[in-house]
Amino acid sequence: GAGVSQTPSNKVTEKGKYVELRCDPISGHTALYWYRQSLGQGPEFLIYFQGTGAADDSGLPNDRFFAVRPEGSVSTLKIQRTERGDSAVYLCASSLVGGQSTDTQYFGPGTRLTVL
Amino acid sequence: RKEVEQDPGPFNVPEGATVAFNCTYSNSASQSFFWYRQDCRKEPKLLMSVYSSGNEDGRFTAQLNRASQYISLLIRDSKLSDSATYLCVVNFRGTYKYIFGTGTRLKVLA
Repeated sequence: GAGVSQTPSNKVTEKGKYVELRCDPISGHTALYWYRQSLGQGPEFLIYFQGTGAADDSGLPNDRFFAVRPEGSVSTLKIQRTERGDSAVYLCASSLVGGQSTDTQYFGPGTRLTVL
Repeated sequence: RKEVEQDPGPFNVPEGATVAFNCTYSNSASQSFFWYRQDCRKEPKLLMSVYSSGNEDGRFTAQLNRASQYISLLIRDSKLSDSATYLCVVNFRGTYKYIFGTGTRLKVLA
């Protein structure tokens, strides 16, 4: 079946612009995670959704970052007034149950964001 | 101190060698542990979960030492296809956050 998909695969933008990154999780997965990965680092947790609600957004670095999942499936990560330091690969992952379970997280291929 | 620490490597080993990686974590309330594999410019994929009693999957063995707060991954009979970055992942009790280490790079040489 289809895995997690993310669009666009690459995004180049200018400092100060607004960007939206989209994640389509595996069908039926209630849990959705966003991570950010910089070169030479492991993925850094940003936000976790259980269904439509953000159960944990403690990883969002500041108020320029916001994410939604209005119907409990597709999620959009929104970054306002982008800065060069936002350049990274943004990864989305989904899992069947999430929460305190240990079910497997399946990652999408990521969106490579470059802020010039 | 980072919440999850790994030796970044690279570990360069010949085919057929046995190699082991360690990962230390700082929060004693950690409850779930995993090893993920990430190929260059690809997404991470779950290699194996780590259970208290230790667990094995083919050539891969994972161990957990709660007293010393580390987990390990042992790879026996290394293959060229094992070349990748191995990420240690920890979930802290009562949170939904999964904390990744920086990863350990492995290069298996012919």
